[in-house]
Amino acid sequence: SQTIHQWPATLVQPVGSPLSLECTVEGTSNPNLYWYRQAAGRGLQLLFYSVGIGQISSEVPQNLSASRPQDRQFILSSKKLLLSDSGFYLCAWSQGRDHTDTQYFGPGTRLTVL
Amino acid sequence: ILNVEQSPQSLHVQEGDSTNFTCSFPSSNFYALHWYRWETAKSPEALFVMTLNGDEKKKGRISATLNTKEGYSYLYIKGSQPEDSATYLCAFFGGTSYGKLTFGQGTILTVHP
Repeated sequence: SQTIHQWPATLVQPVGSPLSLECTVEGTSNPNLYWYRQAAGRGLQLLFYSVGIGQISSEVPQNLSASRPQDRQFILSSKKLLLSDSGFYLCAWSQGRDHTDTQYFGPGTRLTVL
Repeated sequence: ILNVEQSPQSLHVQEGDSTNFTCSFPSSNFYALHWYRWETAKSPEALFVMTLNGDEKKKGRISATLNTKEGYSYLYIKGSQPEDSATYLCAFFGGTSYGKLTFGQGTILTVHP
């Protein structure tokens, strides 16, 4: 069966510090991978998605970047965190990009930028 | 920007009550509507994928209906139990957003024993 891991679970970082959140998927190959953020009182906002190694699409202009160095690894990064980067970050995967393909979510990382 | 709205934002019910909430989405370029349940300290979990106007899906005490012409979906829970307490998210998949889901802000359901 497939599993998705994210770490760390929680993170408190000062403004201006770098960020690296990691997501890995097991039990499948060539998944589509997604990074979402939930800011306080808001829905899940898609930040990045990837259909293959090195292929990243950005959904919103922001202070973050994503990379996919391996087939089942997705990394969310920032060089200098802003207060507005605080939120709950979820990684997800799907087997395809069809309208009926379910996305499967990881446990998430709560990021607080102080 | 696609507008996917859920109402109410939060809901408190007593154990045994039946309840329902709404997801509104664009009625044009509709491909699918997904429902997820997100329990505290867990990952969002898929409930239903609905594609056809008039679709009705059921999973235990939870059911959902779909009206693509007017752009809404209802989620019903019959005889709510405390374990149904969660945030219920809907997500729209449109023809102009290939491979991407646009989520509503969720309805937070609390079922009191």
